Formats: sequence, structure tokens, C-alpha cells
Amino acid sequence: AQTVTQSQPEMSVQEAETVTLSCTYDTSENNYYLFWYKQPPSRQMILVIRQEAYKQQNATENRFSVNFQKAAKSFSLKISDSQLGDTAMYFCAFSKLTGNQFYFGTGTSLTVIP
Amino acid sequence: NAGVMQNPRHLVRRRGQEARLRCSPMKGHSHVYWYRQLPEEGLKFMVYLQKENIIDESGMPKERFSAEFPKEGPSILRIQQVVRGDSAAYFCASSPETSGRLFREQYFGPGTRLTVT
Repeated sequence: AQTVTQSQPEMSVQEAETVTLSCTYDTSENNYYLFWYKQPPSRQMILVIRQEAYKQQNATENRFSVNFQKAAKSFSLKISDSQLGDTAMYFCAFSKLTGNQFYFGTGTSLTVIP
Repeated sequence: NAGVMQNPRHLVRRRGQEARLRCSPMKGHSHVYWYRQLPEEGLKFMVYLQKENIIDESGMPKERFSAEFPKEGPSILRIQQVVRGDSAAYFCASSPETSGRLFREQYFGPGTRLTVT
């Protein structure tokens, strides 16, 4: 079975600062995908970043980057130059390479303080 | 290209009534997934459908819940005889066909918040 754990229910960061959200997962698969989704108050699920486990290079998308440690089964999200619009719930998710379902963590509520 | 559409956005039902949640996938997408988000929790997979077929329903409760994705029209998640524990946000996602690739990107709709009174 696949499990995703987010151990930080809430976090806050000053505007323009950097924050890192933690995620660990458990799987027996060797190849898979990992994701970070953002859920603002509108509740729309927005894909922030995706990492393919067979790629050693960490994914980056503008101010968002990940630290993927495959051996440790760790997948943290770093948000640089935090903006007020980054305030949201952030969910870490896992998908098998051939799977049809995503496995989500319980989320981290991030507040950016002006 | 319009995104995944879900309606209604909010639905209130009394205990024992039926709830019907609709999902229109993105244009050209033939794969639909339903997830449930209970308060203070992440999304949990319920069911995966292709046109006219249920592919994986391993996350669906055994009773009262059903899903369909007909040849024409939206996908429907139906909950019969709702109970308070069914109160949650229900999200639909859709994926396109992929040729030669195993992985399908899932695009999420805005969700339907079901409240059972």
C-alpha cells in the first residue's frame, strides 16, 4: 500500500521569505510520480509541481522547487520569495507509474504574513 | 479550453435523501476519477471510469454509492440515503488519452461540497 505523510499541519512565513514544506511517503514501487498541489480558499486543486522518480534532477517551477530524496522517501517543497497569494493548503501526492489513482497526504496549511 | 466542470458547487440534503453530483471532463478527456475530501483530510480516491466502463472502484463504499460515465453526458456520482458522515467535498478529475505513455495527468474540478443535515 502507498501512504503519504505530511507532518506539519500548519506553517507560516513572512512575505518575501522562503519556506519549506515536508512530505514523506512509503511505497514498494521503484518508479512513480510525486506531486505538490495547492488548494486555495476557493478549494480548486492546482498542480504546483511534479517529480518523476526516475529523474535524479529536482523539479523546479519558477519560485517553487522540490528536494527529492528517493532513498529517504522524502519530497519537500520549497517556496522562495513567498507571496500573499501563496496562502493555501498544500497537498503532497503520489501516483504509481501505471496507477490510476493519486494518494494524498493530509495537507499543510500555509499562511503568508504581510 | 474549459476546465473540469462540477455541479452543483454546493448541495444540501437531508438524511435519507439522494445526492447526485455531476462532472463534465475537459474537452477530449475520456477518463474520469472521483475523490472525496473529508474535513481536515486529504483527498481519497473513490472510483476511476472510462466512457461506459468502471475501471477501478476500489475506493468506493460498498453500499449506497455508485458512479457512471455514460457515452453521452457528464459522469454522475450518486449517493443514496445520505447520512451525516457523507458530508464532504467531492472532487472530480479527468485525463486525456495517452498514446505510448502510461501516466495520465489528472486535472481537477472545483469540487462539490455536500452537506447532510
